[in-house]
Amino acid sequence: EIVLTQSPGTLSLSPGERATLSCRASQSVSSSYLAWYQQKPGQAPRLIIHGASSRATGIPDRFSGSGSVTDFTLTISGLEPEDFAVYFCQQYNTSPGTFGQGTKVEIK
Amino acid sequence: QEQLVESGGGVVQPGRSLRLSCAASGFTFRSYGMDWVRQAPGKGLEWVAVISYDGSEKYYVDSVRGRAFTISRDNSKNTLYLQMSSLRPEDTATYYCAKGRGGGTYNALDYWGQGTLVTVSS
Repeated sequence: EIVLTQSPGTLSLSPGERATLSCRASQSVSSSYLAWYQQKPGQAPRLIIHGASSRATGIPDRFSGSGSVTDFTLTISGLEPEDFAVYFCQQYNTSPGTFGQGTKVEIK
Repeated sequence: QEQLVESGGGVVQPGRSLRLSCAASGFTFRSYGMDWVRQAPGKGLEWVAVISYDGSEKYYVDSVRGRAFTISRDNSKNTLYLQMSSLRPEDTATYYCAKGRGGGTYNALDYWGQGTLVTVSS
């Protein structure tokens, strides 16, 4: 099983600032089978990034994903009020498709 | 637009069974892999099971594989199922069904239902 470790656990930022979230895999995630999801309280997760760097439908271009092999990053270039949420990475390269433990982006 | 609606959750005693359903609409259900993902209260996401577009491939997380959790689908009814047996308190969670981006079993999940809460307690 591939273990995903996200850091930091909590990111305290102000609107307009840049957010950088990390996801590190215990084994290689080939073909960039890495996704990022956003979850707000009481809501289902929403796909933000798939294939490590491709934005999902309707996701604004302030969200970008990068990385490969074992190190992946989600960057939000200028935080909007609606971006404050919990973000999870997921690898779907092997079964089980494991999730990271999440990074909470909160308002400073 | 794509919609997924789960049902079948509730309170169940340890050792009992429960079947979850997920009704899909707004897309060609028979063409896509489908997953179940769960989230214990206040915790992170845990992938549970996946089924390919035609039901020929199924995979489970280790913690449920030996307890007769079974994922299935009825493409004529646009419905996904999760049959859960030998339930334990640690299975208490909100269960989400989610649509894969492709027809196989290795997909990012691009649409999610709102979830159904399963509580295992005596």
